[in-house]
Amino acid sequence: DAKTTQPPSMDCAEGRAANLPCNHSTISGNEYVYWYRQIHSQGPQYIIHGLKNNETNEMASLIITEDRKSSTLILPHATLRDTAVYYCIVMEGKLIFGQGTTLQVKP
Amino acid sequence: DTGVSQNPRHKITKRGQNVTFRCDPISEHNRLYWYRQTLGQGPEFLTYFQNEAQLEKSRLLSDRFSAERPKGSFSTLEIQRTEQGDSAMYLCASSLGPHGPLHFGNGTRLTVT
Repeated sequence: DAKTTQPPSMDCAEGRAANLPCNHSTISGNEYVYWYRQIHSQGPQYIIHGLKNNETNEMASLIITEDRKSSTLILPHATLRDTAVYYCIVMEGKLIFGQGTTLQVKP
Repeated sequence: DTGVSQNPRHKITKRGQNVTFRCDPISEHNRLYWYRQTLGQGPEFLTYFQNEAQLEKSRLLSDRFSAERPKGSFSTLEIQRTEQGDSAMYLCASSLGPHGPLHFGNGTRLTVT
């Protein structure tokens, strides 16, 4: 079973920041948090991952709480093409996907 | 980097037939994973390889399913005596090492009639 909990859906206005939360209260000390997204009819796309420090790349930022029990994925300026299902996953040798959050970016 | 390639993109077969899918990972990626995804659900883990060794198989992988990665490069997933419940998207992914991010292909969509 997935070790993460995410809201089933969220809306965001185009051009605004999208903040997607994830709870992973049972995470172990050496387990990484990964974020993927999936657009209809495509394979999941890697976004970002981290262990305990905050991370940023060209796609997004990942904020991990100090106790590592939750994290937030931030898309700084959401566009309509960011509409997708976003998965937060704690890696245990392989990715176990939950239901994810369906993000709808609206004009 | 040409990405993970999966063939065929679509496969329609009759119940009881055998099917085989192929996955070509990103070169030099030593780990290769197979997942299955049905409509409205997240991908479900099936199995993974490190080089040519199959390290883990899910309970979902019945005896009718077999995966191989004979030379540690491409992999095949075979389903024998297909059933309608096997209809799904079959996804392949590869990574470099246990913590490297997985890179997914666009899948093979199987329809069993």
